[in-house]
Amino acid sequence: EVQLLESGGALVQPGGSLRLSCAASGFTFSRFSMGWVRQTPGKGLEWVSVITGNGRETYYATSVKGRFTISRDNSKSTVYLQMNSLRVEDTALYFCAKDDVRGGSLDSWGQGTLVTVSS
Amino acid sequence: DIQMTQSPSTLPASVGDRVTITCWASQNINSWLAWYQLKPGKAPKFLIYKASSLETGVPSRFSGSGSGTEFTLTISSLQPDDFATYYCQQYNSYPRTFGQGTKLEI
Repeated sequence: EVQLLESGGALVQPGGSLRLSCAASGFTFSRFSMGWVRQTPGKGLEWVSVITGNGRETYYATSVKGRFTISRDNSKSTVYLQMNSLRVEDTALYFCAKDDVRGGSLDSWGQGTLVTVSS
Repeated sequence: DIQMTQSPSTLPASVGDRVTITCWASQNINSWLAWYQLKPGKAPKFLIYKASSLETGVPSRFSGSGSGTEFTLTISSLQPDDFATYYCQQYNSYPRTFGQGTKLEI
C-alpha cells in the first residue's frame, strides 16, 4: 500500500524559509516522479512542483518559480520542498503526491502539512 | 500557462441525481486530463485519467469524457459519499494546472 507522510509545516513570518519533507513507502520510489500540490481556502488546489524519478528534471508553478526548490533522496524515499522568500499567499495545506505510472496524473496523495505565513 | 475553468462552481444536488461537471482548457490538451475528489480533512482521491479512464476501485457511476478543450465528469446516480469538491487537472504541459473546483452540495 502506498503511503505518503508529509512533515515540516509550521507558522513562519513573511520572507522566511521552510523545508517540507514527504516520506514515501509501499512502492519503488525511484521509478516515479513526485510532486507537491497545495490547497488554499480561496483558490482550491494549486499544482506547485514535480521532480522526475532520477531527480534530473524539475518543474514549477509560475507563482513559486525562483523561490521554491524541489529535491529528492532516493536512498531515503523522501522528497523535499524548500520554500524561501515566503509570502502570505503561500499559506496553504501542502500535499505530497505520487505521479501515476501512466504519466502526469497523481494517483496517491498524503494527508498534507499546513504552512502558515503570517507576521 | 494553460488555464482550466470549471462550471459550475457550486452544484446543488440530491441523492440519486445524475450530475455533470464541465471543465474547459484554454488550449488543446488532447486527452491529458485527470479528475480528483476532495473532502475536508482527507487526502484527495484520484478518479479518472486520460479524460475517460476510470482509476481502479473507483465506482462505475463515475465517468469522464471529452478531448481537446472541453471535458466532462458525470456521476450517474449520486450517493451520499459523493458530496465533495471535484477538480480537473491538465497534464499536457508544464506547469500542470487545476480547475478552480466544483462543490457538490445538498
